[in-house]
Amino acid sequence: DAKTTQPNSMESNEEEPVHLPCNHSTISGTDYIHWYRQLPSQGPEYVIHGLTSNVNNRMASLAIAEDRKSSTLILHRATLRDAAVYYCILRGAYNNNDMRFGAGTRLTVKP
Amino acid sequence: DTAVSQTPKYLVTQMGNDKSIKCEQNLGHDTMYWYKQDSKKFLKIMFSYNNKELIINETVPNRFSPKSPDKAHLNLHINSLELGDSAVYFCASSQGSTGRGTDTQYFGPGTRLTVL
Repeated sequence: DAKTTQPNSMESNEEEPVHLPCNHSTISGTDYIHWYRQLPSQGPEYVIHGLTSNVNNRMASLAIAEDRKSSTLILHRATLRDAAVYYCILRGAYNNNDMRFGAGTRLTVKP
Repeated sequence: DTAVSQTPKYLVTQMGNDKSIKCEQNLGHDTMYWYKQDSKKFLKIMFSYNNKELIINETVPNRFSPKSPDKAHLNLHINSLELGDSAVYFCASSQGSTGRGTDTQYFGPGTRLTVL
């Protein structure tokens, strides 16, 4: 499976945008880029996913580099509730549905 | 209604005991999973079942045995518990039948297992 690299931690101020980077230089043409997050003492939850084009949903935006070797999860206005560990995961279109979590980025949101 | 539920939420037991964790999903999904999150917070997949059939079985001691009585349930039974089994166990489910690269997993709240 292609690997992802994320910063261990990031900090943000409340109500400011947050850009969480992810490098995936060995991504294959059929790998989708998924983001999940894990709030304290909870199970992971799906945030967003994309293949080539940028994606928006009610939670976040996903910006994918043209060469697909990196992507950025964008939280437009961070709230205290967004403090969590964010995981960037590659999922092959033909894999067997398993997800390989890395260490993720721990986001701290300061009031 | 909770989409993916697990019981119990906390489980404290002695070494050598046998215990089970139950998982139920009401999303009508075909695929269910068990993950383990250790003290260093790494999440690792253990098992995956699709329509009651074992799909993924990672390198997990055979003391761990998943059981799927029906598509909506995937229980985890652990024999002869060891100290190293202490972790948070998460159940998850997904549709499974869609294009797999786009398959979204829904996680339960976790079961914190402490082995003394």
